[in-house]
Amino acid sequence: SAVISQKPSRDICQRGTSLTIQCQVDSQVTMMFWYRQQPGQSLTLIATANQGSEATYESGFVIDKFPISRPNLTFSTLTVSNLSPEDSSIYLCSVEDRGTSVYEQYFGPGTRLTVT
Amino acid sequence: AQKVTQAQTEISVVEKEDVTLDCVYETRDTTYYLFWYKQPPSGELVFLIRRNSFDEQNEISGRYSWNFQKSTSSFNFTITASQVVDSAVYFCALSEAWNNDMRFGAGTRLTVKP
Repeated sequence: SAVISQKPSRDICQRGTSLTIQCQVDSQVTMMFWYRQQPGQSLTLIATANQGSEATYESGFVIDKFPISRPNLTFSTLTVSNLSPEDSSIYLCSVEDRGTSVYEQYFGPGTRLTVT
Repeated sequence: AQKVTQAQTEISVVEKEDVTLDCVYETRDTTYYLFWYKQPPSGELVFLIRRNSFDEQNEISGRYSWNFQKSTSSFNFTITASQVVDSAVYFCALSEAWNNDMRFGAGTRLTVKP
């Protein structure tokens, strides 16, 4: 299993600023993912954070708006840049566990961002 | 383009009833993965299952079971003898292997009443 922590748990930011969200895992993992869940909505995968290379972004998400770092196998950051009210969401970090024959996925508690 | 449809927006059952959550998907890819997740009122996301497109065997895990039918492009989730703790929003998702693109359904809110 994997235990994931995220910082901050919530924040209120002004439009035009940026917020960096940290994701820390208690074990080394190959795949880390960032998701967004807008209020009352379903989830959307933003990107896959790759260690040692650039993140892989899903359609509709770009590196300039959502830069991601993955300096090692236990840590990643997601920055939401040039904030607008439409960025108000919960941002979730997730990891895969392929250590056994059974696939598992774990999620962090989320970061609730409100943009004013 | 891929698509996931969870037609049931909300379902309400009484404890101990069986309930099936529907998930219908669309994809042009022959290799893909299907997922189910649970999001209880507390908000945390819980992974339930991943199934690849080449494995059509039904899966059972305790009171949970999943029925994957490629012929109807469905991956339905059944909870047997539901409990109040099963109350949550359940999301179905599809990931295409060739591009790792992932799509979630809109979710089904399940309420289990005592």
